[in-house]
Amino acid sequence: LAKTTQPISMDSYEGQEVNITCSHNNIATNDYITWYQQFPSQGPRFIIQGYKTKVTNEVASLFIPADRKSSTLSLPRVSLSDTAVYYCLVGSPSGGYQKVTFGTGTKLQVIP
Amino acid sequence: DAGVIQSPRHEVTEMGQEVTLRCKPISGHNSLFWYRQTMMRGLELLIYFNNNVPIDDSGMPEDRFSAKMPNASFSTLKIQPSEPRDSAVYFCASSLTGAGNTIYFGEGSWLTVV
Repeated sequence: LAKTTQPISMDSYEGQEVNITCSHNNIATNDYITWYQQFPSQGPRFIIQGYKTKVTNEVASLFIPADRKSSTLSLPRVSLSDTAVYYCLVGSPSGGYQKVTFGTGTKLQVIP
Repeated sequence: DAGVIQSPRHEVTEMGQEVTLRCKPISGHNSLFWYRQTMMRGLELLIYFNNNVPIDDSGMPEDRFSAKMPNASFSTLKIQPSEPRDSAVYFCASSLTGAGNTIYFGEGSWLTVV
């Protein structure tokens, strides 16, 4: 599985846009990029997945450059409730079962 | 729809006692994962099953840990004997094979061994 590198922590004020970048230099052709969000005292939850260019849903946007060696999770106008740990994973969504492992994640603290 | 259901939510036990954590995956999911989370080590994958068969247990810390999946709707993680360093949150997660990294977590079992 491709290894990922993300910042350990980030701070942001309420109302700002937050961008968290993940590096995955060894991403394979079939790999997708998936982001999870974990609130304190809860299990991680899936927020967005993409393969290339841009993906947007009601929670976030995911930007993936042409070389796919990195990706950026964008959270628009964060609120205090967005304080969480954000994990970036890469792997193939097809081809049967796979070992889903998490890195250290990025701890986002939203400040009033 | 019911999500992944774990029990107990919280357990405090004495060192040396046996601990059994339970998990009911989402109906229809055929992959099941057990994770352990601590401040020091983060979120570690202990073992995962596919179609009730253990595929990779390389994350199981030692022989005191064992996991079973007797059927598609139930799995257990057992620690015998328990030690204080086993104190952690244990998460169960499930997914559909082929869904890649899209897995669904339970709320966790908070274990304290004193």
